Amino acid sequence: DGGITQSPKYLFRKEGQNVTLSCEQNLNHDAMYWYRQDPGQGLRLIYYSQIVNDFQKGDIAEGYSVSREKKESFPLTVTSAQKNPTAFYLCASSIGLPQAEQYFGPGTRLTVT
Amino acid sequence: AQKVTQAQTEISVVEKEDVTLDCVYETRDTTYYLFWYKQPPSGELVFLIRRNSFDEQNEISGRYSWNFQKSTSSFNFTITASQVVDSAVYFCALSARVNSKLTFGKGITLSVRP
Repeated sequence: DGGITQSPKYLFRKEGQNVTLSCEQNLNHDAMYWYRQDPGQGLRLIYYSQIVNDFQKGDIAEGYSVSREKKESFPLTVTSAQKNPTAFYLCASSIGLPQAEQYFGPGTRLTVT
Repeated sequence: AQKVTQAQTEISVVEKEDVTLDCVYETRDTTYYLFWYKQPPSGELVFLIRRNSFDEQNEISGRYSWNFQKSTSSFNFTITASQVVDSAVYFCALSARVNSKLTFGKGITLSVRP
């Protein structure tokens, strides 16, 4: 089955630790995206990548880093510099055109204490 | 700059009622695309519909219908004869022609009571 997988579903970390969220897609999509969702805030774009080995900052990139070494993978690292990392993180992919719908993964709920 | 406003935050209806979810957008581009997504309690967003700025035809898909009006910069979504399974958060989103970035509204939480 084609789709996007994110693991794990729930993640717990201590403050001050970096943590990497996984996102894999087998849809052969060129573009991938990371969003953060907080209650009442909608989805805010963290980083996106239109092609392999290239990515751009979204609206709230501070405290996050990404890599895009393979077409199917777009991991997100939440660094200790992110002041409020507890949130629901969603990964998405698309064929990369403005009119293309994005396909979303099931999300990872990160809790940092 | 692009902006999507979903002024309604929470709506509660009784099953079989009709409900309209409002979406107002702002963009300077003449070519743009509007989307609606549904987020059920499981968390994964599901694509519902896309509309481009040159196509103002209303669309109906089963119990769902969409009303796109450029004159008021609105792209409203109506669910007819709502069902409990329609309970979810609904997002309206906008992308411009220059790239595939989506700007989302804050979402509307719809609760359908039996």
